[in-house]
Amino acid sequence: KAGVTQTPRYLIKTRGQQVTLSCSPISGHRSVSWYQQTPGQGLQFLFEYFSETQRNKGNFPGRFSGRQFSNSRSEMNVSTLELGDSALYLCASSLKAPGQGPREQFFGPGTRLTVL
Amino acid sequence: QKEVEQDPGPLSVPEGAIVSLNCTYSNSAFQYFMWYRQYSRKGPELLMYTYSSGNKEDGRFTAQVDKSSKYISLFIRDSQPSDSATYLCAMTTDSWGKLQFGAGTQVVVTP
Repeated sequence: KAGVTQTPRYLIKTRGQQVTLSCSPISGHRSVSWYQQTPGQGLQFLFEYFSETQRNKGNFPGRFSGRQFSNSRSEMNVSTLELGDSALYLCASSLKAPGQGPREQFFGPGTRLTVL
Repeated sequence: QKEVEQDPGPLSVPEGAIVSLNCTYSNSAFQYFMWYRQYSRKGPELLMYTYSSGNKEDGRFTAQVDKSSKYISLFIRDSQPSDSATYLCAMTTDSWGKLQFGAGTQVVVTP
């Protein structure tokens, strides 16, 4: 069974640009979560989608947005990039919906974004 | 102060030793506790999860949760060089989706 895939794996952008990252969950998984990982702040939750609806949101500015498609694939977008947005962006998928009790989240390899 | 505190290490141990990792937290609403392992340039991989207080064992790994002290631990017995990685604790309330992670502890197991 294929794992979570994220594209692209590496990305270099300049300040002010916008970027779109893609995540394909494990087949059959309908819940997708996004996280930002930096050396200073560690892993921080961005948002979670289930059935094309955002179910949870972390404490990030509105420049960070996401969406989920009917096939459960998800994209996140960061507009007006800042130097501090340089990070590893991780996507995780799970089989159960939010609130359905304990569930395992499977992480992808991440997209490493560098903002110059 | 962060909700979840974890010593970043690095923690260096000889092969065969017991690795002891821990996290403390401040939010008494946390109910589910997890340990993830992350190799360099890879995404985190779930190792263990426990619900509320107690112990859980899986092979060489033992996870402990002490909710009264707001303290969780992970022990790795008979450590191997392949255990060299960053270990992250994570926890969540009933919603499960919004994981709060510790900073991660880098572990180095030397042959």
